[in-house]
Amino acid sequence: AQKVTQAQTEISVVEKEDVTLDCVYETRDTTYYLFWYKQPPSGELVFLIRRNSFDEQNEISGRYSWNFQKSTSSFNFTITASQVVDSAVYFCALRGVIQGAQKLVFGQGTRLTINP
Amino acid sequence: DTEVTQTPKHLVMGMTNKKSLKCEQHMGHRAMYWYKQKAKKPPELMFVYSYEKLSINESVPSRFSPECPNSSLLNLHLHALQPEDSALYLCASSPRPGQGAYEQYFGPGTRLTVT
Repeated sequence: AQKVTQAQTEISVVEKEDVTLDCVYETRDTTYYLFWYKQPPSGELVFLIRRNSFDEQNEISGRYSWNFQKSTSSFNFTITASQVVDSAVYFCALRGVIQGAQKLVFGQGTRLTINP
Repeated sequence: DTEVTQTPKHLVMGMTNKKSLKCEQHMGHRAMYWYKQKAKKPPELMFVYSYEKLSINESVPSRFSPECPNSSLLNLHLHALQPEDSALYLCASSPRPGQGAYEQYFGPGTRLTVT
């Protein structure tokens, strides 16, 4: 079975603080793909990053960084110097192939609030 | 251009009405998806179309009827819905179904209220 756990339901920080969103996954696949999506209040899910299981390099994109650790089955997301516009629900997801089609297994999401 | 469009943005319908949701993408993607999202929950997969053919139906009630007229369009026909069907309906697309690490691109959703 494939499962994604985001233990932090809600996080609230003051602007300019750094914040880390945790994601732990379970899969028996040897090749798998992990994703992070952002859902602002407008509702649209915005793709942030994809990570392949065979590439354990961490990635940085501006104020965003991702730490992928296969040994602990974690794919954590850090926002540095947070801004009010970062307020959103963030979903971690694991890709599985069922009946020949790609299916995303989502975590429950973490609601991040950045206060001015 | 990584845009998926959905219309309408909001829809209020009675339990006896028939309505349709529309989704469109012009990225040449060959996999399209319908998701349902209730408040404070992650999206739940409803249907997957691969190369314009229905490949996954996640045991969705027949009052929801998907249709994929061509590779750019995806519709969701609604009939005799229940109040518990009120939710945000999201459409997504990805370049290829099956193999490959392709992310899904989501539309802004249709917020549906059934009265």
